[in-house]
Amino acid sequence: AQKITQTQPGMFVQEKEAVTLDCTYDTSDPSYGLFWYKQPSSGEMIFLIYQGSYDQQNATEGRYSLNFQKARKSANLVISASQLGDSAMYFCAMREGRRSGGSNYKLTFGKGTLLTVNP
Amino acid sequence: NAGVTQTPKFRILKIGQSMTLQCTQDMNHNYMYWYRQDPGMGLKLIYYSVGAGITDKGEVPNGYNVSRSTTEDFPLRLELAAPSQTSVYFCASSYSERTYEQYFGPGTRLTVT
Repeated sequence: AQKITQTQPGMFVQEKEAVTLDCTYDTSDPSYGLFWYKQPSSGEMIFLIYQGSYDQQNATEGRYSLNFQKARKSANLVISASQLGDSAMYFCAMREGRRSGGSNYKLTFGKGTLLTVNP
Repeated sequence: NAGVTQTPKFRILKIGQSMTLQCTQDMNHNYMYWYRQDPGMGLKLIYYSVGAGITDKGEVPNGYNVSRSTTEDFPLRLELAAPSQTSVYFCASSYSERTYEQYFGPGTRLTVT
């Protein structure tokens, strides 16, 4: 079974509008972390935001926020006021706790969502 | 700080050849990682290291070897290259296992024909 599922292969958004990128995850471990990375066409991986499973508040970093719904096992990325430079591939990733055989070292990635921002 | 650097940026190998992908970080991070990214896919962990002299297998280690003689360097060795190893390879580092952010290098695009 997929541990991280990103169901949107591609998304389009108009400049200055908000967009939500979906991510659902599968783990039975109570301790885990969820990450979002951005990969522009140049290829580098850029860390955007992190949410721990015990964090009470949804994570926010500037225009990025993470809509964390623990019961639904979803960790959607919300980008507000989209900019042309936001056009990129976005990856959701999870780090599981030791109870699931995971470690703090290993990230499991989804297949990504390609976001295109239209002017 | 240069962060995480990788060389080469691009390489074409013939089947059966060997090569070493270089990775260096100047952030004094203890933890280093090698990932591969196949077309249209997310990253998969090949090997990781928690400090000089200590390495361990990740999700897809077959066909690769690593060493970690210094804190800064974490080279990835491909022996007997195969077409299935055509991929983009990323090196990453982090300060400790409690650090949630992994810093990535720019990647090496490898083609095996």
